[in-house]
Amino acid sequence: AQSVTQLDSQVPVFEEAPVELRCNYSSSVSVYLFWYVQYPNQGLQLLLKYLSGSTLVKGINGFEAEFNKSQTSFHLRKPSVHISDTAEYFCAGNTGGSQGNLIFGKGTKLSVKP
Amino acid sequence: EAGVAQSPRYKIIEKRQSVAFWCNPISGHATLYWYQQILGQGPKLLIQFQNNGVVDDSQLPKDRFSAERLKGVDSTLKIQPAKLEDSAVYLCASSLFLGNTGELFFGEGSRLTVL
Repeated sequence: AQSVTQLDSQVPVFEEAPVELRCNYSSSVSVYLFWYVQYPNQGLQLLLKYLSGSTLVKGINGFEAEFNKSQTSFHLRKPSVHISDTAEYFCAGNTGGSQGNLIFGKGTKLSVKP
Repeated sequence: EAGVAQSPRYKIIEKRQSVAFWCNPISGHATLYWYQQILGQGPKLLIQFQNNGVVDDSQLPKDRFSAERLKGVDSTLKIQPAKLEDSAVYLCASSLFLGNTGELFFGEGSRLTVL
């Protein structure tokens, strides 16, 4: 079955600490992978995407993610978080095919504490 | 550049009533999506349009949900009659072209509460 699994539903961290949000995808999901962020009462916004090429992808707001084919993972990282990074983060994968529906994980709520 | 517009932002209805949500995508975006986001879950695709044609509606509960994009621009999603389990945020998104190697742009969503 096609699936994207986010391993942590909530991640609390202190400001300026590093953070990693974990995402695994099923091998049947096409290797087009995305991270979206959703701030309270707002729509989803693309953070970064992996389509091909370098396995380390840099996105907006200092976030980066590493595509690992052998571990079927696409973890999101930031070396030093800010209060403003508090939001819900969604990992998503393409189902493949010409139209390629996105399959989303259940989301990880990142809470940054002062 | 204006983003994806959705209305209403919030709607509360009784079960068995009907409701409609409207979406205006970013100008020039050919592909339009409606997603359902239930609390605690990730968004789930309900229907995908390419211009005014349906590309994928395999997860749309067609006995109660309908959607149209008559002129290939804005779109309406209707629920009739609503059930308690339809309480969710309905997200509209658009993209320049078919196929998800591109970026989806999301609206702020329409939050539905069914009592």
